[in-house]
Amino acid sequence: DGGITQSPKYLFRKEGQNVTLSCEQNLNHDAMYWYRQDPGQGLRLIYYSQIVNDFQKGDIAEGYSVSREKKESFPLTVTSAQKNPTAFYLCASSKGAGLSYNEQFFGPGTRLTVL
Amino acid sequence: KQEVTQIPAALSVPEGENLVLNCSFTDSAIYNLQWFRQDPGKGLTSLLLIQSSQREQTSGRLNASLDKSSGRSTLYIAASQPGDSATYLCAGGSSNTGKLIFGQGTTLQVKP
Repeated sequence: DGGITQSPKYLFRKEGQNVTLSCEQNLNHDAMYWYRQDPGQGLRLIYYSQIVNDFQKGDIAEGYSVSREKKESFPLTVTSAQKNPTAFYLCASSKGAGLSYNEQFFGPGTRLTVL
Repeated sequence: KQEVTQIPAALSVPEGENLVLNCSFTDSAIYNLQWFRQDPGKGLTSLLLIQSSQREQTSGRLNASLDKSSGRSTLYIAASQPGDSATYLCAGGSSNTGKLIFGQGTTLQVKP
């Protein structure tokens, strides 16, 4: 089955720790995205990548980092510089980043909690 | 800055009722429009995509329309069922940036 997987489903972080969230897709999509969802708010874009070895900051990139070494994978690292990381993190992909190809498909999400 | 508003924020209806969810944009520069469903603690499931050249899309009991001139979209759910209970989000593809801009969602409860 084609789709997007995220792991882990739940993640707990201590103060000062960096943690990495995994996102893998087998849809052969070029573009991948990371969003953050907080209660009562819409999704906010953290980072996106239109192609391998390239990525751009979204609206709330501070305290986060990403890499795109493979087409299938787009891991997100939440660094200790992110002051309020507790949230639900969603990964998505689309065939391309152009307007005609931007239909996005989402993974199941990772819930990150800071202890 | 493009903003998306979804009205109402929450809706409770008896089973079998037809209902309409609304989505509006502050800037009509929307290229296309995607509706999603989200169950509690889960990811988003794409329901319908209205491309730039289209005015509406239908899938089963769902019908979504897009009026770019007024910056509005509606999602019509016919003969609602308890299984339709979820949060529904709309997202517009910005003509300026190509990114999706999300509304905050409408949480629907369908009572048996």
